[in-house]
Amino acid sequence: QSVLTQPPSVSAAPGQKVTISCSGSSSNIGNNYVSWYQQLPGTAPKLLIYENNKRPSGIPDRFSGSKSGTSATLGITGLQTGDEADYYCGTWDSSLSANWVFGGGTKLTVL
Amino acid sequence: QVQLQESGPGLVKASETLSLTCSVSGYSISSGYYWGWIRQPPVKGLEWIVSISHSGSTYYNPSLKSRVTISVDTSNNQFSLKLSSVTAADTAVYFCARIYGDNRIDYWGQGTLVTVSS
Repeated sequence: QSVLTQPPSVSAAPGQKVTISCSGSSSNIGNNYVSWYQQLPGTAPKLLIYENNKRPSGIPDRFSGSKSGTSATLGITGLQTGDEADYYCGTWDSSLSANWVFGGGTKLTVL
Repeated sequence: QVQLQESGPGLVKASETLSLTCSVSGYSISSGYYWGWIRQPPVKGLEWIVSISHSGSTYYNPSLKSRVTISVDTSNNQFSLKLSSVTAADTAVYFCARIYGDNRIDYWGQGTLVTVSS
């Protein structure tokens, strides 16, 4: 069971918009930056969003992130078939045993 | 461009020690950042294992801490993972990564599948 909670799956048609939620607590999302990772089938995860809403160089502005309280959201607009992947949120957990934690992952299907 | 590459046995016997090495190119480990290991069991999500700084500061996943050893070899620009007393539950793809403190994991290796056999 993951520390952060994500929906197992989301789906939408090409060209549409989708959002993926990530819920945590005050020891992790509530007091630390959230990052998002895209994992295409058979590949390593790739940094998509960092510091809640910043995009690394090369990531299109179709991808966006936001955070409010102990929850974060990844948004993807103008969906493409190439966006079909697993998406993970991650953050630092500042509890007694400080460590990185992830969500269980969300499978995005572009219908 | 920072690149990371995992290496090590793909098959380990139960109760033995899993050993992996991550070779880094395009960036000197001794220059900074944290370096760590993350694993992904088949058809499951990501699990962070451990991180180490260039100076040797470490953070461990509490559930794995008693079995994990991490070390840095700055002369060869590598860092290594040892996981002792493995069981079938340790079968996973193991990724090495560059970790920007508590901020983000910005570079990942391609991953290596380690299977624990009985």
